[in-house]
Amino acid sequence: DAGITQSPRHKVTETGTPVTLRCHQTENHRYMYWYRQDPGHGLRLIHYSYGVKDTDKGEVSDGYSVSRSKTEDFLLTLESATSSQTSVYFCAISGLGEQYFGPGTRLTVT
Amino acid sequence: AQSVTQLDSQVPVFEEAPVELRCNYSSSVSVYLFWYVQYPNQGLQLLLKYLSGSTLVKGINGFEAEFNKSQTSFHLRKPSVHISDTAEYFCAVSEQGGADGLTFGKGTHLIIQP
Repeated sequence: DAGITQSPRHKVTETGTPVTLRCHQTENHRYMYWYRQDPGHGLRLIHYSYGVKDTDKGEVSDGYSVSRSKTEDFLLTLESATSSQTSVYFCAISGLGEQYFGPGTRLTVT
Repeated sequence: AQSVTQLDSQVPVFEEAPVELRCNYSSSVSVYLFWYVQYPNQGLQLLLKYLSGSTLVKGINGFEAEFNKSQTSFHLRKPSVHISDTAEYFCAVSEQGGADGLTFGKGTHLIIQP
């Protein structure tokens, strides 16, 4: 398995609070991604990074921001969580033409 | 931009029967194609990938897929399924040489009946 960890694995938070999810890799890959998975939608790209301090928006980036200050860490922040952001969040890294996924974070916004 | 259509949201199959999960894509550029599997409450695992070369690709757990450029399809097949194949299957596409992420289909739930 690719060395990708996500924290926390589960989180329940209230509407309006800020939330940060962390993705950590030990593979030294340049490219990292954040996706959300919702029933009936598959996985959709939120943001991605192509290097330290280099990030770009994906399909569903509204309400999310990201930061990458080190190669190994990619943070996803919900500035003010809403119920529509209840989802399972997956981090991925890219190598050899494919992506490897982390175990996911289940986020519930009440 | 690319898009992926998985034509069946749910496919019930009897154990030891063959199965085909359908995937069609749309893209204005050349693509890489992937099938991922997700078992209940787990992450995504790569089943197989098409990057170039032979259009018939073999993956793990006895699965294979065929890339058909003229029909823009990448259907997944297995000649004989087992109860353990019960899972969600996702088809995904990316631009060749690109690094701006995968575009996924909505998934197909494969249900194996004894």
